[in-house]
Amino acid sequence: QVQLVQSGAEVKKPGASVKVSCKASGYAFPSYDINWVRQATGQGLEWMGWMNPDSGDTGYAQKFQGRITISRNTSISTAYMEVISLRSEDTAVYYCAREVRDASGIWFDPWGQGTLVTVSS
Amino acid sequence: SYELTQPPSVSVSPGQTASITCSGDKLGNKFVCWYQQKPGQPPVLVIFQDNKRPSGIPERFSGSNSGNTATLTISGTQAMDEADYYCQAWDGSTLMFGGGTKLTVL
Repeated sequence: QVQLVQSGAEVKKPGASVKVSCKASGYAFPSYDINWVRQATGQGLEWMGWMNPDSGDTGYAQKFQGRITISRNTSISTAYMEVISLRSEDTAVYYCAREVRDASGIWFDPWGQGTLVTVSS
Repeated sequence: SYELTQPPSVSVSPGQTASITCSGDKLGNKFVCWYQQKPGQPPVLVIFQDNKRPSGIPERFSGSNSGNTATLTISGTQAMDEADYYCQAWDGSTLMFGGGTKLTVL
């Protein structure tokens, strides 16, 4: 079945960086964009950006421009998201999700299980 | 920037119909999808393209979208439907989520 499996929880100090991985299985990795979404504890979903695994093209929400980088290793069907200059407000669960798109819009299915990133001194 | 507005909470009795709204300027001109999220779990797609159900989603989940409001309707609500629900739309360059609605079945 189509599945996205993310790396484990991370604890980082303010100012550090973190790189979260998302391994895809059950489908052709290059054929679907991967998106990243985060969710602070008790809060809603916040879209961060996308990547085309085939071309490597990326797009980022304005809020995260310059602070996140989405990349991939197609040989192992894995996407990555790196966040730099971490601050306490970045403490959240980070999700990857497979994007399905047609002329009618975009939706995410499935989602990874989530990776908790805690930023604390 | 484009915003989607959802009520923070909705309550429904078991077996009754729950309606969760999502409002945005000319939202009916965009396609909306809905996700269900239970505590400690990732979101799950329950409606896409306004009113289509993915395989495995019960028929009691339906959606509509017109004017400035999209609606997720759950008919014959069950206790297992208690969760947070998020709408999502795309304006061609930016993807946005609604703030989420906590559905309580009591």
